[in-house]
Amino acid sequence: QKEVEQDPGPLSVPEGAIVSLNCTYSNSAFQYFMWYRQYSRKGPELLMYTYSSGNKEDGRFTAQVDKSSKYISLFIRDSQPSDSATYLCAMTGSNFGNEKLTFGTGTRLTIIP
Amino acid sequence: GAGVSQSPRYKVTKRGQDVALRCDPISGHVSLYWYRQALGQGPEFLTYFNYEAQQDKSGLPNDRFSAERPEGSISTLTIQRTEQRDSAMYRCASSHSVNTEAFFGQGTRLTVV
Repeated sequence: QKEVEQDPGPLSVPEGAIVSLNCTYSNSAFQYFMWYRQYSRKGPELLMYTYSSGNKEDGRFTAQVDKSSKYISLFIRDSQPSDSATYLCAMTGSNFGNEKLTFGTGTRLTIIP
Repeated sequence: GAGVSQSPRYKVTKRGQDVALRCDPISGHVSLYWYRQALGQGPEFLTYFNYEAQQDKSGLPNDRFSAERPEGSISTLTIQRTEQRDSAMYRCASSHSVNTEAFFGQGTRLTVV
């Protein structure tokens, strides 16, 4: 069993819909939780990160972490065609930026105009 | 430089040959990471450096893989006696310091034939 599980999709939704992306994990040591966006033929770019449990909002994006359930989510409101990409969750232990990231497989998202 | 630069972008090599992949991090970034990303998968950690010191090489698959960063800037990932299973996208990332975002390069697509 992988440390981080993520539904690979693909996921297609109409423009303007709310998108929900999720990951589960098994390692209790994970403290930092990140969402990366990866466009085709590009490297991953960091969207948001959250420390420990709770919610974090940035514009149309909201990240949620529930450590008791070992479950994290990314919500995208008012989805746009430019949001079409692969979304990767990633996690690390006690020292963000100084420790390896463990990634999910990525969910491929398409927003249909 | 403006971003993390990797070279070559594409490398095709015959089975049994050695290859060297280069990463030029963002200027001033202390930490440098190597990941491998198979098609349809998330990046998988290989190794990372702080300055010239290799801090963690637990992700290197076997002793055919090695990495160095002799002057704390450019890094080289070397794969000896390449095998077809080594074919993947190899990604480098760098971060300014502890607790800061890691920026990914566009990667080197390695194909072993």
